[in-house]
Amino acid sequence: QSVLTQPPSVSAAPGQRVTISCSGSSSNIGIYFVSWYQQLPGTAPKLLIYENNKRPSGIPDRFSGSKSGTSATLGITGLQTGDEADYFCATWDTSLTTWVFGGGTQLTVL
Amino acid sequence: QVQLVQSGTEVRKPGASVKVSCKASGNTFTNNYMHWVRQAPGQGLEWMGVINPSGGRTSYAQKFQGRVTMTRNTSTTTVYMELNSLRFEDTAVYYCAFSAAGTAFEIWGQGTLVTVSS
Repeated sequence: QSVLTQPPSVSAAPGQRVTISCSGSSSNIGIYFVSWYQQLPGTAPKLLIYENNKRPSGIPDRFSGSKSGTSATLGITGLQTGDEADYFCATWDTSLTTWVFGGGTQLTVL
Repeated sequence: QVQLVQSGTEVRKPGASVKVSCKASGNTFTNNYMHWVRQAPGQGLEWMGVINPSGGRTSYAQKFQGRVTMTRNTSTTTVYMELNSLRFEDTAVYYCAFSAAGTAFEIWGQGTLVTVSS
């Protein structure tokens, strides 16, 4: 049972838009930055979004992040088959004194 | 640009120890953090702890307190994660991950598979 809650899977057609939610609490998302990671099959995670809504160099603007209260959302527009991956959210939890992750969301581009 | 290269696959028996290395290139040992995160087969990500490579200060997740030790060698810009008293459920891919600002895991190593099997 992950501290941060994500939907197990989402799907959409190529070219469409999808959002992935990440729900937490006042001890984590409510007070700390959220980051998002993409994990392609058989590879290490890769940073997509940091500090809620910032993109590292090289990450296309098709990827966006937002946060409201104790929830965060990753948005992906112009879906491509290469976007098929697992997506994880992460933040610090002050009660648990540990970094916590969502359980991951598997994106399928139909 | 920071790059992290980890050591290779390990197989251990229950009760044994394993030490995984993570060699960093680029300006990585000044005012930053190196985390260790693991992922059991088909599962999510789990944070184990962090080391500040320049000063050697560490902070471990409570779950691993007493079983994990993170160290570094500044001359070779390598950090290490040693896990003791291995159990079957420690079978996982272990990742090192670099963080400059402390707000995200910016760069990840390729991962090291540790299998605990009798």
